[in-house]
Amino acid sequence: EDKVVQSPLSLVVHEGDTVTLNCSYEVTNFRSLLWYKQEKKAPTFLFMLTSSGIEKKSGRLSSILDKKELSSILNITATQTGDSAIYLCATPGRDQGGSEKLVFGKGTKLTVNP
Amino acid sequence: GAGVSQSPRYKVAKRGQDVALRCDPISGHVSLFWYQQALGQGPEFLTYFQNEAQLDKSGLPSDRFFAERPEGSVSTLKIQRTQQEDSAVYLCASSLKRYMNTEAFFGQGTRLTVV
Repeated sequence: EDKVVQSPLSLVVHEGDTVTLNCSYEVTNFRSLLWYKQEKKAPTFLFMLTSSGIEKKSGRLSSILDKKELSSILNITATQTGDSAIYLCATPGRDQGGSEKLVFGKGTKLTVNP
Repeated sequence: GAGVSQSPRYKVAKRGQDVALRCDPISGHVSLFWYQQALGQGPEFLTYFQNEAQLDKSGLPSDRFFAERPEGSVSTLKIQRTQQEDSAVYLCASSLKRYMNTEAFFGQGTRLTVV
């Protein structure tokens, strides 16, 4: 069964700190790995990593895919209070019906204190 | 519309009551997904529509859960005889591409509390 595991589940840091969030996956026919930021309720898309795009960067956020280790990390440098959120990692699973449902990890709850 | 719209935002139901949750996807989006997110958990897949066809309902937890998208646009998730374990946030997502959930856009969700 497809599975995504994130660590840590919770993290508290001070503004300005750098954090690294971890995601490991087990999936048949890996195609991509996605990171989302969830504030309040709606997850918003951050990055998609694939075999042809294993590193992505946007401002203070960056993510790397390690296909050998079946894992990914999300780095946030110079954290700000606005980075406080739940960060979700997901990968498309596929069942016999052919739909591309996302399999999510439990998320990492990041709290950035001023 | 500009984004995926879900209503109501909050719903409190007495145990045993039926509820209906609505999702209005982005116009023209072919794919529509429903997820259930319990407190402290990641979203879990419920069901998937491609236009009006429900192609995957393997995640629906029981026969009390029913979803439809009759005209290939708005979708409704219905839960009959609600139980306390149904309390969760129900997220809807839509995507332009067929069979692709990558970069799907999520709605704000409906928080259901069963008392």
